[in-house]
Amino acid sequence: GAGVSQSPSNKVTEKGKDVELRCDPISGHTALYWYRQSLGQGLEFLIYFQGNSAPDKSGLPSDRFSAERTGGSVSTLTIQRTQQEDSAVYLCASSLMRMNEQFFGPGTRLTVL
Amino acid sequence: AQSVTQLGSHVSVSEGALVLLRCNYSSSVPPYLFWYVQYPNQGLQLLLKYTSAATLVKGINGFEAEFKKSETSFHLTKPSAHMSDAAEYFCAVSVSGGSNYKLTFGKGTLLTVNP
Repeated sequence: GAGVSQSPSNKVTEKGKDVELRCDPISGHTALYWYRQSLGQGLEFLIYFQGNSAPDKSGLPSDRFSAERTGGSVSTLTIQRTQQEDSAVYLCASSLMRMNEQFFGPGTRLTVL
Repeated sequence: AQSVTQLGSHVSVSEGALVLLRCNYSSSVPPYLFWYVQYPNQGLQLLLKYTSAATLVKGINGFEAEFKKSETSFHLTKPSAHMSDAAEYFCAVSVSGGSNYKLTFGKGTLLTVNP
């Protein structure tokens, strides 16, 4: 079956612009995660969605970052007023349930000029 | 809070040689431990996981890891390296309890396999 997909695969934007990154989890997976992978910080947890429960947003680095998950499926990570330090690969993962194996997408490489 | 230290950001081995990638963790509660592999321009793939069952865990592609509580270690090994093993490897920890979905990753170890 299809794995986790993310779009776009690459995004180049100018400082100050807003960007939206999309994640399509594996069908039937109730849990969805966003991580950020950057040279300086490695892999960092950003946010977690589980079913209809309130998301765990504890990893979001600032209030410029937000995410939503519509209909328990597709998720969008939005970064407002992008800064150069936001440049990174943003990885999405999904799992059947909480604490099951997380399946990762290929990531979106964001470059802020 | 939990943390992971991977010793050696870059490991180079010859084809057919033993692969040893080191991982030490810090956790105040019993941990769950994972090894992931990342090939260029791809997402992470789970190699193996420890969730408090057998301390010696076997994974895919001939890899295994041993959980040693006394040493707070979870080193990854493979008896004989193959060229296709060249990739970046990440050790990760989560904890039992409320936030057990949250993975904390090490900085990664890039494995190079020489012919």
